[in-house]
Amino acid sequence: KAGVTQTPRYLIKTRGQQVTLSCSPISGHRSVSWYQQTPGQGLQFLFEYFSETQRNKGNFPGRFSGRQFSNSRSEMNVSTLELGDSALYLCASSFSEGRGETQYFGPGTRLLVL
Amino acid sequence: ILNVEQSPQSLHVQEGDSTNFTCSFPSSNFYALHWYRWETAKSPEALFVMTLNGDEKKKGRISATLNTKEGYSYLYIKGSQPEDSATYLCAFTSGTYKYIFGTGTRLKVLA
Repeated sequence: KAGVTQTPRYLIKTRGQQVTLSCSPISGHRSVSWYQQTPGQGLQFLFEYFSETQRNKGNFPGRFSGRQFSNSRSEMNVSTLELGDSALYLCASSFSEGRGETQYFGPGTRLLVL
Repeated sequence: ILNVEQSPQSLHVQEGDSTNFTCSFPSSNFYALHWYRWETAKSPEALFVMTLNGDEKKKGRISATLNTKEGYSYLYIKGSQPEDSATYLCAFTSGTYKYIFGTGTRLKVLA
């Protein structure tokens, strides 16, 4: 079974631009979560989508948004990029949205904002 | 804001040594505790999910215990090998919060 894939793997943007990251979950998984990791910080939860609906949201500004399509693929968008948005963005999929579900992570997208 | 703390932050051990790390989490409204291993240049890989107080899980040389009443979990590695070198993350989920991760314990096993 193919794992979680994320595109692109690396991205360089400038302040003020916007960016869209993509995540394809494991086949059959309907829940996709997004995380941000910056140096010295643990994985910070951004949001979770299940069956095309946002089910949980972390403590991030409204510049961070996402969506999920009917095939469970998910996109995350960051508008008006700031230097502090430079980070590794990971997505993870799970079969359902239960809190005991194991999450399977993708390789991440490394975003650099100049 | 809930906090998940892991200690130590980093650890160097010799091959063959046994080691353990701690994950501390809020004891109220607990739902599950997850352990992940994250090797450099790879994706985090799930090790264990534990939901019941007193749970013990084992996978090869790695095992974990859970105490939900006092809010801690231990991860043990017996006879560490160089391939165990990784960052070990724990994540707490509750009825209210989904996946609060600790900052991890970085383990380096020296051959």
